[in-house]
Amino acid sequence: EDKVVQSPLSLVVHEGDTVTLNCSYEVTNFRSLLWYKQEKKAPTFLFMLTSSGIEKKSGRLSSILDKKELFSILNITATQTGDSAIYLCAVRKTGTASKLTFGTGTRLQVTL
Amino acid sequence: NAGVMQNPRHLVRRRGQEARLRCSPMKGHSHVYWYRQLPEEGLKFMVYLQKENIIDESGMPKERFSAEFPKEGPSILRIQQVVRGDSAAYFCASSYDAATNEKLFFGSGTQLSVL
Repeated sequence: EDKVVQSPLSLVVHEGDTVTLNCSYEVTNFRSLLWYKQEKKAPTFLFMLTSSGIEKKSGRLSSILDKKELFSILNITATQTGDSAIYLCAVRKTGTASKLTFGTGTRLQVTL
Repeated sequence: NAGVMQNPRHLVRRRGQEARLRCSPMKGHSHVYWYRQLPEEGLKFMVYLQKENIIDESGMPKERFSAEFPKEGPSILRIQQVVRGDSAAYFCASSYDAATNEKLFFGSGTQLSVL
């Protein structure tokens, strides 16, 4: 059975800290890994990774994929209270259209 | 440039009633996906539809659940004779083309509460 495991389950940091969120996966026929940010509403897309070793960056957020060790990390530098959310990792397999297998998420709380 | 629209945002039903959840995909998107999120769990795939066709329903419970995406109008997820265990957030997502666009755009979800 396909598995996506995220750690830690939850995290509380102070504004300005740097955090690293982890996502490991066990799927056959891996195609891509996606990160989403979920606040109180719709999950919003952050990154899609398909190749190992290529870092994707967007402002203070960055992510990288290791297809050999089957994991990805999401880094957030200089955290702000607006970064408080659940961060979801999902994996897509080949031949499954856009069906995604999600992890349970990491709940991040950034305090003043 | 509206995103994926879901309604209602909240739906309360008593056990045994029917629940109908609606989803209008982003403009130009013809692929719709339904996911369910239980408390403290990740999103679980339910069904993938294109206009008038169910492509993959491997995540749908065998009974009481059905989905459609008619030629005109929104996609509908229907749950008949709801039970307390159906209480969850139901998210709809859409994409332009399943083959070339892997990024799903999600709606804000419908929170179903079964009393």
